[in-house]
Amino acid sequence: EVQLVESGGELVQPGGSLRVSCAASGFTFDAYALNWVRQAPGRGLEWVSTIRGDGGAAYYADSVQGRFTISRDNSRNTLYLQMNSLRAEDTALYYCAKSRTIAARLDAFDIWGRGTMVTVS
Amino acid sequence: EIVLTQSPATLSLSPGQRATLSCRASHSVSDYLAWYQQKPGQAPRLLIYDASNRATGIPARFSGSGSATDFTLTISRLEPGDSAVYYCQQRANWPLTFGQGTKVEIK
Repeated sequence: EVQLVESGGELVQPGGSLRVSCAASGFTFDAYALNWVRQAPGRGLEWVSTIRGDGGAAYYADSVQGRFTISRDNSRNTLYLQMNSLRAEDTALYYCAKSRTIAARLDAFDIWGRGTMVTVS
Repeated sequence: EIVLTQSPATLSLSPGQRATLSCRASHSVSDYLAWYQQKPGQAPRLLIYDASNRATGIPARFSGSGSATDFTLTISRLEPGDSAVYYCQQRANWPLTFGQGTKVEIK
C-alpha cells in the first residue's frame, strides 16, 4: 500500500524553528517528486514546496522562500521540511503529497498523508 | 501567479441531482488542471487530473472538462457521501496554485 505519514508538528514560538518529516512506503521513492501543501485552520489549500526525485531541484512558494527548506533522504524514504523564522501565519496542517507522474516536477498530487499540525504562537 | 477562481462558493443539492462546479484560471493552463475532494477531517483526494482524466478508483459519476481558462467538474448523480469541499489546482506553472474551494452540501 502506498502511504505517507507526517510527523514532527508542534507548538512553536514566533521566530522559532521546526523540522517536520514525512515517511513514505509502497512506491519507488526516488522516482517521484514530493511536495508540501498546507492548510490553515478553516482555510483552503496552499502549495508550499516541491522537491525533485533526486533532490537536485526544489521550488518554493513566495510566502516561505528563504525561510523554509525542503529536503529528502532517499536512503530512508523520508521527506523533510525545515521551517525557520516561523510566523503566526505559518500555523497550519502540513500535508506531504506525492506527485502523480514519474519524473514530473509540476504535477497533480495522487497520494496525501494525514498531515501534521504546526502551531506558531 | 495563476489565480484560480471557483464558483459557486457553496452548492446545496439533493441526492440524485447533478452538480456542476466551475474553475476559472487567470491565464491559460492548457489542460493542466486537477480536481480534489476533501471531506471534513480528511486529507484531499485526487479526483481528476489533466482536466478530464479520472484518478484511480474514482467513480464514473465524476467527470471533468474544459481547457485553457475554463473548467468544470460534474458529479452526475449526487450521493450523500459526496458532501465535501472540492478544489481545483493548476500545474501549468510555478507557483502551483489551488482555487479557494466549492463546498457541496447534500440536502
